[in-house]
Amino acid sequence: EDQVTQSPEALRLQEGESSSLNCSYTVSGLRGLFWYRQDPGKGPEFLFTLYSAGEEKEKERLKATLTKKESFLHITAPKPEDSATYLCAADGSSNTGKLIFGQGTTLQVKP
Amino acid sequence: DAGVTQSPTHLIKTRGQHVTLRCSPISGHKSVSWYQQVLGQGPQFIFQYYEKEERGRGNFPDRFSARQFPNYSSELNVNALLLGDSALYLCASIGGRSQETQYFGPGTRLLVL
Repeated sequence: EDQVTQSPEALRLQEGESSSLNCSYTVSGLRGLFWYRQDPGKGPEFLFTLYSAGEEKEKERLKATLTKKESFLHITAPKPEDSATYLCAADGSSNTGKLIFGQGTTLQVKP
Repeated sequence: DAGVTQSPTHLIKTRGQHVTLRCSPISGHKSVSWYQQVLGQGPQFIFQYYEKEERGRGNFPDRFSARQFPNYSSELNVNALLLGDSALYLCASIGGRSQETQYFGPGTRLLVL
């Protein structure tokens, strides 16, 4: 069964303290691995799409990487405004448009 | 450019009632997906429509149905509401390099009493 697992569930950082969020996936025929940011009560905001192992994408303080089994979201020198829930999702080979989401990592960055 | 729009933003219903949620995709996008997100969990796939045809269906009961209109907007209908249907309902518009990236709207918060 296709599955996506994120860790940790929650992460508290001090402003400027870099860290990484993990997304492990078991999906046959991965078509894409997606990262989203979600603020409380709002819809997920698209961050990155990764298509193949070894691919990297960057945006401001965020960098996403992909291996054959995992993806990492690296946060460099985070600021309080980076506090949010980060969701990882995989698109498998079913061609139904179904994204399989992890449960998310809730990040809190303290000043 | 306008993003994905959803209406209403909030809705309160009682058990057994029916609800209709609406979604307009990003201009030029022809495919929409619907997801249910229960508090504290990741979104769960309900449906995807492409060019007015159902392309995929998640593991939801037949009380859930959807359709897509010629202008690519979409409706999600839920009959015989249960308390467990209380959730944030998300619509996503699909585009990107290989028509795989899903851009989400703000969601409709449904509370069933």
